[in-house]
Amino acid sequence: SQELEQSPQSLIVQEGKNLTINCTSSKTLYGLYWYKQKYGEGLIFLMMLQKGGEEKSHEKITAKLDEKKQQSSLHITASQPSHAGIYLCGADITLTGGGNKLTFGTGTQLKVEL
Amino acid sequence: DADVTQTPRNRITKTGKRIMLECSQTKGHDRMYWYRQDPGLGLRLIYYSFDVKDINKGEISDGYSVSRQAQAKFSLSLESAIPNQTALYFCATSDLTGADGYQETQYFGPGTRLLVL
Repeated sequence: SQELEQSPQSLIVQEGKNLTINCTSSKTLYGLYWYKQKYGEGLIFLMMLQKGGEEKSHEKITAKLDEKKQQSSLHITASQPSHAGIYLCGADITLTGGGNKLTFGTGTQLKVEL
Repeated sequence: DADVTQTPRNRITKTGKRIMLECSQTKGHDRMYWYRQDPGLGLRLIYYSFDVKDINKGEISDGYSVSRQAQAKFSLSLESAIPNQTALYFCATSDLTGADGYQETQYFGPGTRLLVL
């Protein structure tokens, strides 16, 4: 079953506009990762959140993890064409026998129009 | 040079054929993973390896096998390819960081696009 829900599934915004992508889990998140994927390319690590209420920024992208650690949002300010791509949230899931794996949301496809 | 490389980048094969996807990393990480990505299903874990002698099945390992030839190399094989194995395959590596050894950021290769006819 899908453990992470992302919304919206796709988004088209005009250049310069702000946008928010959400990632929601039914379980407590002990590590929440945001990745960006461009068509035909691998996943690029953006940032990782671990603590309730934590917020991190990278250039014009800000990600937050809520206090209950069950929801994260990714906010892009003044979007640019270079922001276009698929944004994926991933969460640490403890593996039987130790260690962690990442489980991913289905992704949000972002298009930025000129 | 890329830290995580995958070969081939694209592959077309026929049902029943055996194929191998290769992954190499120069990050010096012990942990390596194989995922597949399908539209609407996100990324799903196929196999993972915490070191050369430690290989584990992920959530969708049926029809796949892996080989960890060295710390830097992790290969994924489809013993007898079938059309529903058409997908984008990603290799990833990670290492535990942080004071408590908990933080684990995974670094991904560029992907291999596989089409099974």
